[in-house]
Amino acid sequence: AQTVTQSQPEMSVQEAETVTLSCTYDTSESNYYLFWYKQPPSRQMILVIRQEAYKQQNATENRFSVNFQKAAKSFSLKISDSQLGDTAMYFCAFTRPPNFGNEKLTFGTGTRLTIIP
Amino acid sequence: DAGVTQSPTHLIKTRGQQVTLRCSPKSGHDTVSWYQQALGQGPQFIFQYYEEEERQRGNFPDRFSGHQFPNYSSELNVNALLLGDSALYLCASSFGLAVSRETQYFGPGTRLLVL
Repeated sequence: AQTVTQSQPEMSVQEAETVTLSCTYDTSESNYYLFWYKQPPSRQMILVIRQEAYKQQNATENRFSVNFQKAAKSFSLKISDSQLGDTAMYFCAFTRPPNFGNEKLTFGTGTRLTIIP
Repeated sequence: DAGVTQSPTHLIKTRGQQVTLRCSPKSGHDTVSWYQQALGQGPQFIFQYYEEEERQRGNFPDRFSGHQFPNYSSELNVNALLLGDSALYLCASSFGLAVSRETQYFGPGTRLLVL
């Protein structure tokens, strides 16, 4: 079974600074997908970024980027120029490759990120 | 375009009762997944519906059951409620079963409190 571990329950950073959230996972699969989801206080979960394990290039989405270390099974999220709207719970998630009918998201326990004005 | 909607937003039940939660997927989506998010925890997969059939199931007892209707909306039913069933129940929709490639859109959730 796959597991996802987020070892930082809470983090805070000053507005405009850069912050990195950590995630490690365990799997025996060679290909898989990793995600970072954001859950603001309004509760609606939003996809931030997605990474396919076979792709060596780290994914980026505007101010959000990942550091994917496949051998170390590490998948960290870097938020640059942090904004007050980035305040939220951040969840790391894993799913197996597109194998018809066998995909589901496995989530970590989350990191509560607070951006300080 | 309405996103994923869920009803009700909050619900209070007592132990032993039964509850039904509802989800309408985002327009154009045909797959619905349900997750349970206990306080301070990440969401846990309950089950997934596609073409009105349960396609996958997580590690949840048979007290948890569901249904998908021809219009792709879905219900989650929980029988014989336990205190431990208190949680935020999230519905997510996508197009097709490949949740790795197709983005899942989540609803705001239903907060269930069992007393």
